[in-house]
Amino acid sequence: KQEVTQIPAALSVPEGENLVLNCSFTDSAIYNLQWFRQDPGKGLTSLLLIQSSQREQTSGRLNASLDKSSGRSTLYIAASQPGDSATYLCVLGEDMRFGAGTRLTVKP
Amino acid sequence: DAGVIQSPRHEVTEMGQEVTLRCKPISGHNSLFWYRQTMMRGLELLIYFNNNVPIDDSGMPEDRFSAKMPNASFSTLKIQPSEPRDSAVYFCASRKRETGELFFGEGSRLTVL
Repeated sequence: KQEVTQIPAALSVPEGENLVLNCSFTDSAIYNLQWFRQDPGKGLTSLLLIQSSQREQTSGRLNASLDKSSGRSTLYIAASQPGDSATYLCVLGEDMRFGAGTRLTVKP
Repeated sequence: DAGVIQSPRHEVTEMGQEVTLRCKPISGHNSLFWYRQTMMRGLELLIYFNNNVPIDDSGMPEDRFSAKMPNASFSTLKIQPSEPRDSAVYFCASRKRETGELFFGEGSRLTVL
């Protein structure tokens, strides 16, 4: 069974910093990998989808990369803003299992 | 195109009662997933279907939980009898065949007293 780990569990940064969130997985047969954000008490918002054959995807200030050989994906957030504060989750595999998430706080 | 539709959005019930949660996936999507989210355990996969067939139900906590997908446009998650520890937000998601992208419903918040 695929094991998905997200490190760190929580991160607090000042506004304007660039930051990297990590998602590690144990089985390289990932199908696809998708990053979501979740605001407290809310649903899940899709950020980026990286298909198994791709290496990265970009959307605005977000860039996600995928390295199947090392079992790792990173989500890069440029010039962070207080509105980026949320929990960020990765999900992958045929059975779409989630990591535990990284809770990000961006301080004004 | 309408998104994934879940009902009810909120349910409060008493221990021992039967609870039925409903999900309508996006038309044309071939996979459907049920998740449960709690503070302690995060987002847990309960069960998923491909082409209406259950593929992996290893996440279903116990026999009190059951899920069905009688056709491509409807699925139910039933808890009978319900217990206070079942209180959680239950999410349904469907996956687009062509891209593998996952789309979520807004969730059903269940409170069992």
